[in-house]
Amino acid sequence: GAGVSQSPSNKVTEKGKDVELRCDPISGHTALYWYRQSLGQGLEFLIYFQGNSAPDKSGLPSDRFSAERTGGSVSTLTIQRTQQEDSAVYLCASSLGTSVNEQFFGPGTRLTVL
Amino acid sequence: RKEVEQDPGPFNVPEGATVAFNCTYSNSASQSFFWYRQDCRKEPKLLMSVYSSGNEDGRFTAQLNRASQYISLLIRDSKLSDSATYLCVVHNQAGTALIFGKGTTLSVSS
Repeated sequence: GAGVSQSPSNKVTEKGKDVELRCDPISGHTALYWYRQSLGQGLEFLIYFQGNSAPDKSGLPSDRFSAERTGGSVSTLTIQRTQQEDSAVYLCASSLGTSVNEQFFGPGTRLTVL
Repeated sequence: RKEVEQDPGPFNVPEGATVAFNCTYSNSASQSFFWYRQDCRKEPKLLMSVYSSGNEDGRFTAQLNRASQYISLLIRDSKLSDSATYLCVVHNQAGTALIFGKGTTLSVSS
């Protein structure tokens, strides 16, 4: 079956521009997560959705980062006024029901801020 | 202390070798533990969950020591296809997110 998909796969932007990253979770998965992986670093948790609400957004690094989820499905991560330190691979994952289930990851969006 | 710590390696072993990876975690309230595998420039994929009693999946054996807050992964009879980065993963206390170690890189050569 279809896995988690993300778009775009690569995004190059100029410092100061806004970007939107999209995630399509596995159908029926109610939990959705965003992570980012910087070069040489581990995966860093950003935000968790259960349905359309975000009970844990503690990982968002600044107020330039926001995310929403609509229809219990697609999620968008928005980064405003991008900075060079935002360059990373942004990974989306989804899981069935509660967060203790296996998380399935998408292929990621590689963001480069020039 | 970092939440999840792993030896980054790299571990360079010949085919057929046995190799062990270790990991420590800082939050004693953590309830769920995993090993994920990440191939170069790919997304992480679940390798196996880790249970207190220890568990085995083919050539892979995972162990958890809650008292020492220590997790291990043993790979027997290494294959070329085992070459990857192995990520030690712990659920955060709220159970809302996975906390990843930076990973241990394994390279298996013929």
